[in-house]
Amino acid sequence: GAGVSQSPRYKVAKRGQDVALRCDPISGHVSLFWYQQALGQGPEFLTYFQNEAQLDKSGLPSDRFFAERPEGSVSTLKIQRTQQEDSAVYLCASSRYPNTGGETQYFGPGTRLLVL
Amino acid sequence: AQRVTQPEKLLSVFKGAPVELKCNYSYSGSPELFWYVQYSRQRLQLLLRHISRESIKGFTADLNKGETSFHLKKPFAQEEDSAMYYCALNPSNTGKLIFGQGTTLQVKP
Repeated sequence: GAGVSQSPRYKVAKRGQDVALRCDPISGHVSLFWYQQALGQGPEFLTYFQNEAQLDKSGLPSDRFFAERPEGSVSTLKIQRTQQEDSAVYLCASSRYPNTGGETQYFGPGTRLLVL
Repeated sequence: AQRVTQPEKLLSVFKGAPVELKCNYSYSGSPELFWYVQYSRQRLQLLLRHISRESIKGFTADLNKGETSFHLKKPFAQEEDSAMYYCALNPSNTGKLIFGQGTTLQVKP
């Protein structure tokens, strides 16, 4: 079946531009996560949705970062006034159930963002 | 602080040699640990989790609470094992995975 998809796969932005990154989770998956992966590092948690509710946004690095999942399926991560330090791969992951531990997270291919 | 450490950025072995990818964690509670793998041009995927005590593709990992380690082992490496491997901690069953920096495994013919 179809896995998690993300678009665009690559995005080049000028410093100060706003960007929007899209994630299509596996159909029916309740939980959705966003991670940021800087070059040479492991992924770092940004935010978590259970259906349409954003239950945890403790990893968002600044108020320039905003995420939503209005209908409990597709999610968008928006970055306003991009800075060079925002350059990274943004990963989306989904899992079938509300996170109660032991759930497998299925990752998308990521969006590689380069801010010039 | 909750942390996962993978001390080796690169591990290079010959085909047929044993492999051990090191992972140490810092966590005060009962840990839930995973190994994820990313093959070239593929997405990150789960390899194994400690609660399942399973062997996947010949890999095993044992949780050692005394040494706070969760090393990944395989007795005989294959060329197709070449990939980036990440150890991850799920603190308090939150799903907020904490990843190590990753180890690139290179298996030479």
